[in-house]
Amino acid sequence: NAGVTQTPKFQVLKTGQSMTLQCAQDMNHNSMYWYRQDPGMGLRLIYYSASEGTTDKGEVPNGYNVSRLNKREFSLRLESAAPSQTSVYFCASSVHLTSSSGYTFGSGTRLTVV
Amino acid sequence: AQKVTQAQTEISVVEKEDVTLDCVYETRDTTYYLFWYKQPPSGELVFLIRRNSFDEQNEISGRYSWNFQKSTSSFNFTITASQVVDSAVYFCALKSGNQFYFGTGTSLTVIP
Repeated sequence: NAGVTQTPKFQVLKTGQSMTLQCAQDMNHNSMYWYRQDPGMGLRLIYYSASEGTTDKGEVPNGYNVSRLNKREFSLRLESAAPSQTSVYFCASSVHLTSSSGYTFGSGTRLTVV
Repeated sequence: AQKVTQAQTEISVVEKEDVTLDCVYETRDTTYYLFWYKQPPSGELVFLIRRNSFDEQNEISGRYSWNFQKSTSSFNFTITASQVVDSAVYFCALKSGNQFYFGTGTSLTVIP
């Protein structure tokens, strides 16, 4: 089925380790996003990519980097994981940045940093 | 400033009861879009409905209905005859310009 695919689904990291969360969409969407979800905080935007070749900071970008590898793929990297980055991470995509349509979300990555 | 408020953090109802989830939004834009998403225990986020700011008609889809009132800046969601499968976290969201603003979610538990 068409949609947004995230890998991995679960990950445990030690403080200071690095890792990359992968996201790919097959809907030919232009815009892609990374959110984190924390209890009582809703969804907060980390980074987004309006189109291939562009990336911009969202509400909570510190400690993260992103790469828009091509139109399909948008990865999120934690260079030196911290316990505060324990969260559920969602990738999403939309036709374009100002599209009136909603986002299509991936199934999430549950990350624990110990 | 743009903001979405879901004042109800957690709601519990007994199966077959009706339940309304409240959503209040703030925006100065005249063109905007409102959404509801469902997050079941499995964790994925499922799109339920989109409404644009020029369409105040209420919508019904099976047991789900949505009441959009610009006068009170509210976009409330009612589940009629609730079922255990409705147990989930529900998010209201506002799309204005380039940005999406999510509420903090309402956790609904339907007790059999």
